[in-house]
Amino acid sequence: AQSVTQLDSQVPVFEEAPVELRCNYSSSVSVYLFWYVQYPNQGLQLLLKYLSGSTLVKGINGFEAEFNKSQTSFHLRKPSVHISDTAEYFCAVTPANAGNMLTFGGGTRLMVKP
Amino acid sequence: EADIYQTPRYLVIGTGKKITLECSQTMGHDKMYWYQQDPGMELHLIHYSYGVNSTEKGDLSSESTVSRIRTEHFPLTLESARPSHTSQYLCASRLDGYNEQFFGPGTRLTVL
Repeated sequence: AQSVTQLDSQVPVFEEAPVELRCNYSSSVSVYLFWYVQYPNQGLQLLLKYLSGSTLVKGINGFEAEFNKSQTSFHLRKPSVHISDTAEYFCAVTPANAGNMLTFGGGTRLMVKP
Repeated sequence: EADIYQTPRYLVIGTGKKITLECSQTMGHDKMYWYQQDPGMELHLIHYSYGVNSTEKGDLSSESTVSRIRTEHFPLTLESARPSHTSQYLCASRLDGYNEQFFGPGTRLTVL
């Protein structure tokens, strides 16, 4: 079984500041990793994903994440946030080559202040 | 752009009523999923389907039931709604061989 821990339930940050949202996972098998964003009253939208290859993954809206196998982490970063980035962010994991059942973390609420 | 739809978006209903939450996708995806999400919490898988006439229960026990008679349609039914069913329900779909799940906008259910 897999588990995902998002270490911060809320992250307040000022506009144009950098941000990092932390995600750690646990799994006995190789995994694929995802970051989703959820705006208020909407469904989830995929930001980026890691399947294999380069450990630095670039996604939409200027976000990127780095897969660190030794630390079992997949932290999300953005060098300069906008007010419009205010949303809930979910890290998710699924076993590689095994059915694509997503296990989600508890979510991190990013609050960008002017 | 993902084409997955959920209706209704919001529903307030009394205890004991039967309700059906609709989910449809026009992408021809064979795999579909239902998640339950309490406010500010993570998503929990309650049902999934790998194709027509295939349905399975997910990790989180749920009193709801699902059906998959057509590829594009994956409705969720509660025979007798209770306040404990108050939550947001998110539908998702995926094409076999691809890893990304596409999500609908969700149905926010309140049972009084």
